[in-house]
Amino acid sequence: AQSVSQHNHHVILSEAASLELGCNYSYGGTVNLFWYVQYPGQHLQLLLKYFSGDPLVKGIKGFEAEFIKSKFSFNLRKPSVQWSDTAEYFCAVPGSGAGSYQLTFGKGTKLSVIP
Amino acid sequence: DAEITQSPRHKITETGRQVTLACHQTWNHNNMFWYRQDLGHGLRLIHYSYGVQDTNKGEVSDGYSVSRSNTEDLPLTLESAASSQTSVYFCASSPSPNQPQHFGDGTRLSIL
Repeated sequence: AQSVSQHNHHVILSEAASLELGCNYSYGGTVNLFWYVQYPGQHLQLLLKYFSGDPLVKGIKGFEAEFIKSKFSFNLRKPSVQWSDTAEYFCAVPGSGAGSYQLTFGKGTKLSVIP
Repeated sequence: DAEITQSPRHKITETGRQVTLACHQTWNHNNMFWYRQDLGHGLRLIHYSYGVQDTNKGEVSDGYSVSRSNTEDLPLTLESAASSQTSVYFCASSPSPNQPQHFGDGTRLSIL
């Protein structure tokens, strides 16, 4: 079964600091990869996705992620965070075969940005 | 615009009662999912459905059931609510494995 690890449970940054959130997955075959964001009190929203092609993926609100197949990683980055980026971030990977419609989520990383 | 709607948004109930959470989507997606979100656990899959009359157990299905009589709806039932089922529940849908899931706004369920 697919598994997803997010290394940081809670990250606290000052505004304008750079952000990198780690995500590692277990399945070594062809993968689609997602990052979702959950703002306080809201539902999950798609931040960005990787299906194939350029391993550097651009998402909304200045976020990007890099797929490194050899490291089974899909880390999320932003050069300069804002207070409005305070949220919880989830990495997700579909299953394989018959389970490919299901998403396996990491446990999430809570980001707190201090003005 | 297409959307996915959950109701109620908040519910408080007592242990032992049967509770049903509604999920309705207008995306016309075949695939629908129920998750629970708990601190320290992220989102965990409860049940899912790939189409009408199809239902499958997820990672944490004990004490929950679903039914799929049409494309739009996937109600989640707690047969006999337990305090361990206090959580935030999210419904989601997707058209295919290559497309992201769309999430509802969630139901905060408290079982006393």
